Amino acid sequence: GQQVMQIPQYQHVQEGEDFTTYCNSSTTLSNIQWYKQRPGGHPVFLIQLVKSGEVKKQKRLTFQFGEAKKNSSLHITATQTTDVGTYFCAGRGGGSNYKLTFGKGTLLTVNP
Amino acid sequence: DTAVSQTPKYLVTQMGNDKSIKCEQNLGHDTMYWYKQDSKKFLKIMFSYNNKELIINETVPNRFSPKSPDKAHLNLHINSLELGDSAVYFCASSQGGDSPLHFGNGTRLTVT
Repeated sequence: GQQVMQIPQYQHVQEGEDFTTYCNSSTTLSNIQWYKQRPGGHPVFLIQLVKSGEVKKQKRLTFQFGEAKKNSSLHITATQTTDVGTYFCAGRGGGSNYKLTFGKGTLLTVNP
Repeated sequence: DTAVSQTPKYLVTQMGNDKSIKCEQNLGHDTMYWYKQDSKKFLKIMFSYNNKELIINETVPNRFSPKSPDKAHLNLHINSLELGDSAVYFCASSQGGDSPLHFGNGTRLTVT
């Protein structure tokens, strides 16, 4: 079945440093979504990428979808303490495998 | 107004008991889901309903039985609770298709 691998599992940074989490799928995806879960909270939708090679930005966050639509990344520039949380990618397969599969998430902690 | 609300927020019970978690969404979405998040934060889909009909039923013990009385509600009943059922259970809804998920605040179930 479809698998979505996400690395790293944990990342600790100093405030102001950059952060990147990577997502890889075993199969070609029709689209990929990113969610953020604050400690003790629930996952909140950030963005969806659909097109091959797509790049989207939200302030300090940059999201990329690979040319082959099998990988994606989330990059945060100059992290702040408010960025703390677990970031999940979730890939949707194509054809009969239209299910949304979540990666295991990357827990980001930021030292002020 | 909370878009996806689930009750209770916390549930502590003993092994062998039967319990229910309720979920309601006021977003007018057609599709609702139950996800289980274990202690390692892995989000795994359990069930998905579209307009009251079951469309996804992952490999979940038949002690878990979802019920959707209407498209705004999706409840989860668990029989004969086991220690391994301890987790946070999230309800979510979406408009279907490629639409993002809107999660409830979660129910932390602890089985002793």
